[in-house]
Amino acid sequence: TQLLEQSPQFLSIQEGENLTVYCNSSSVFSSLQWYRQEPGEGPVLLVTVVTGGEVKKLKRLTFQFGDARKDSSLHITAAQPGDTGLYLCAGNFGNEKLTFGTGTRLTIIP
Amino acid sequence: DAGVIQSPRHEVTEMGQEVTLRCKPISGHNSLFWYRQTMMRGLELLIYFNNNVPIDDSGMPEDRFSAKMPNASFSTLKIQPSEPRDSAVYFCASSLGSRNQPQHFGDGTRLSIL
Repeated sequence: TQLLEQSPQFLSIQEGENLTVYCNSSSVFSSLQWYRQEPGEGPVLLVTVVTGGEVKKLKRLTFQFGDARKDSSLHITAAQPGDTGLYLCAGNFGNEKLTFGTGTRLTIIP
Repeated sequence: DAGVIQSPRHEVTEMGQEVTLRCKPISGHNSLFWYRQTMMRGLELLIYFNNNVPIDDSGMPEDRFSAKMPNASFSTLKIQPSEPRDSAVYFCASSLGSRNQPQHFGDGTRLSIL
């Protein structure tokens, strides 16, 4: 069973601060996706990373895929209340199936 | 464009009753996924279909759970008989079905078994 551990599990910070959350596995991913989930809704895709060492930016969010394709990070600059939500990484191991991480629940305090 | 549609949004029923959850995927998507989300276990894949055929049902907890996809626009997840430990949010998602494609999720069915 491939397990994806995310850290921290919970994070609460003030508006305007920076933060980084992590996604780690002992297995090599074919690709990795990050999703954000808000209360009462399903997860929504933020980004897909495919190549080891790849960095993708989405406004104030920066996603990095580890060189060995076993880990990934999400960095948020100048966090805003709208960034509040559950952040999920999801690993793909070569087919349509995704294995989701344990999640980081982020709260941005105005 | 219509997204993935799930019904009902909420279901409360007594243990032992049959529960049927429904999903309409996005038109043109050929993969459909059923997930269960709880605080303790996170988001778990139960089963997925490709072109209406079940591909991987290794996540289905036990024989009380069954899923069908009679055509490209409809799927059901059935629990019979239901138990309190089945209480969770159940999500359906669909995708274009190849590697690296995003999965599009419905808003889920919140199931409570009393």
